[in-house]
Amino acid sequence: QVQLVESGGGVVQPGGSLRLSCAASGFTFSSYGMHWVRQAPGKGLEWVAFIRYDGSNKYYADSVKGRFTISRDNSKNTLYLQMNSLRPEDTAVYYCASRIAADFKDWGQGTLVTVSS
Amino acid sequence: QSALTQPASVSGSPGQSITISCTGTSSDVGGYNYVSWYQQHPGKAPKLMIYDVSKRPSGVSNRFSGSKSGNTASLTISGLQAEDEADYYCSSYTSSSTYVFGTGTKVTVL
Repeated sequence: QVQLVESGGGVVQPGGSLRLSCAASGFTFSSYGMHWVRQAPGKGLEWVAFIRYDGSNKYYADSVKGRFTISRDNSKNTLYLQMNSLRPEDTAVYYCASRIAADFKDWGQGTLVTVSS
Repeated sequence: QSALTQPASVSGSPGQSITISCTGTSSDVGGYNYVSWYQQHPGKAPKLMIYDVSKRPSGVSNRFSGSKSGNTASLTISGLQAEDEADYYCSSYTSSSTYVFGTGTKVTVL
């Protein structure tokens, strides 16, 4: 069965950087696009970024464009989100989600990022 | 990239049917048949319930159904059960090749 496991969250100061990882298993990772979605504490879902199966195209929400970079290593079955110039409003649980037959088909358990001094 | 508009809360008694609306624009909901719905219980990851407006993933109860008219999509839950109490979100693909989620709806089973 599909399994997505996020890691790399933690506490970081404003202006700092963090790299999230999403380890995928149970499916042919290299054949499917992947998303990052976040959810601020007590708030709704916000789409963050999408990468095509081969990494050829990447798309970002305006709120993170120029600061966040989505990437993938198909040899390691792993999705990444490099987050730079972090702001307090980036505080959220970050989920990776698959695009297997449908967008946001399978979700990880999420990793919490807290941006605070 | 404004969030799609959903009612903050919807409630119903067990066995009843409820409908949650999701209103966007011609650049998202109205322009594509890529509307999805998610169920999220407290402290849990979202779960895909409906995709491509009205398709159900394997394993999702047929009590859940989706539709769309113009710029508004809808999720109907029939035969409401206690376990359906959760937050529900819609999402849509957009003309900017991005995605947008709805504001979320809290469903309460009375």
